[in-house]
Amino acid sequence: LAKTTQPISMDSYEGQEVNITCSHNNIATNDYITWYQQFPSQGPRFIIQGYKTKVTNEVASLFIPADRKSSTLSLPRVSLSDTAVYYCLVGAPNDYKLSFGAGTTVTVRA
Amino acid sequence: NAGVTQTPKFQVLKTGQSMTLQCAQDMNHEYMSWYRQDPGMGLRLIHYSVGAGITDQGEVPNGYNVSRSTTEDFPLRLLSAAPSQTSVYFCASTVLTGGLSSPLHFGNGTRLTVT
Repeated sequence: LAKTTQPISMDSYEGQEVNITCSHNNIATNDYITWYQQFPSQGPRFIIQGYKTKVTNEVASLFIPADRKSSTLSLPRVSLSDTAVYYCLVGAPNDYKLSFGAGTTVTVRA
Repeated sequence: NAGVTQTPKFQVLKTGQSMTLQCAQDMNHEYMSWYRQDPGMGLRLIHYSVGAGITDQGEVPNGYNVSRSTTEDFPLRLLSAAPSQTSVYFCASTVLTGGLSSPLHFGNGTRLTVT
């Protein structure tokens, strides 16, 4: 499983765009990049997944450069309710042993 | 559709006691797993299962047992609780469509304290 590195914490203000970059230098050809969000006292929730280039859904965008050694989760116009821990995972479809790192704690202030 | 249901939500045990954390899903997911979450350490995989009768160890399996007799249920057993097992436990599940690129669905956790 590819190891990932992401910032421990980030602060932002309401209405701003938040970009969280995850490094995964040893990503393998079959690996996907998946991001989860976790609110206090809840289990993680899937946000977005991608393999290459850009993926966008109603919640976020995921940017993956051509070398795939990093990825950036972009949260547009955050609100106080986006305060959460965000996890970046890298793994192949046959990776059953997925573990989450410490994630990035994003704090949105008014 | 209830999703992934974990019971109990909170539990306090004394050292040496045993208990079973329950996890049930109603989405007919083949894959189920247990994680523990400790402060600053993310979620670490304890055990997982890819179907009824099939289980395997994760990153931190010591002190925990699992079995999978049905598709819906995946209980986690602590045979002799230790203070080091104080943690928040999450159960997750997903479909196995050629692998695990399908997103994991998590329960809301069981907060366990061992004194």
